[in-house]
Amino acid sequence: GAVVSQHPSWVICKSGTSVKIECRSLDFQATTMFWYRQFPKQSLMLMATSNEGSKATYEQGVEKDKFLINHASLTLSTLTVTSAHPEDSSFYICSARPFRDSEAFFGQGTRLTVV
Amino acid sequence: QKEVEQNSGPLSVPEGAIASLNCTYSDRGSQSFFWYRQYSGKSPELIMSIYSNGDKEDGRFTAQLNKASQYVSLLIRDSQPSDSATYLCALFPGGGADGLTFGKGTHLIIQP
Repeated sequence: GAVVSQHPSWVICKSGTSVKIECRSLDFQATTMFWYRQFPKQSLMLMATSNEGSKATYEQGVEKDKFLINHASLTLSTLTVTSAHPEDSSFYICSARPFRDSEAFFGQGTRLTVV
Repeated sequence: QKEVEQNSGPLSVPEGAIASLNCTYSDRGSQSFFWYRQYSGKSPELIMSIYSNGDKEDGRFTAQLNKASQYVSLLIRDSQPSDSATYLCALFPGGGADGLTFGKGTHLIIQP
């Protein structure tokens, strides 16, 4: 299957700081990438859809000014958690599809801990 | 609200037996369905995709789809301890939405 790489795999940051997470499609171009968040023992919740060359589309309840998404190229999307708080601690996962309606492939995930 | 429902389990199955995982969904417009396996602390891994009514087999895995009943299932034959994980049912909602909608997952335990 297609390969999606996410970096870093884990990060610890202080409250009030910002953290950037990268998501790369390694062997295909992705005009659309997706960012999910998963709290312990919960399902994956879609946060936003990242569109290459345009603004991201955020799901209801997700603060766009707090979770900044940039999709500058066909193989890279970044999620920046700004002014992080302990309640932002979670498992963040990106995914991408080689083409519309195909299966989605996931990055390795980023475990964010805000202290 | 478009939902995907799964029994959270845990579902305990003896090694070598058949594990049966079930999923129901509310959006009749959904056309694409997926089963993902997720080990603790890891991201989901695609197991099966199914788009048409009926059965689809891949090795020890069989996915079943019944759109009239809005029901998707995954059978795992000859269950192995390494199959112990959380299995997530996912679909693309109707109406052209791009992102997958996930169920909460079923925690499967294969007992040696």
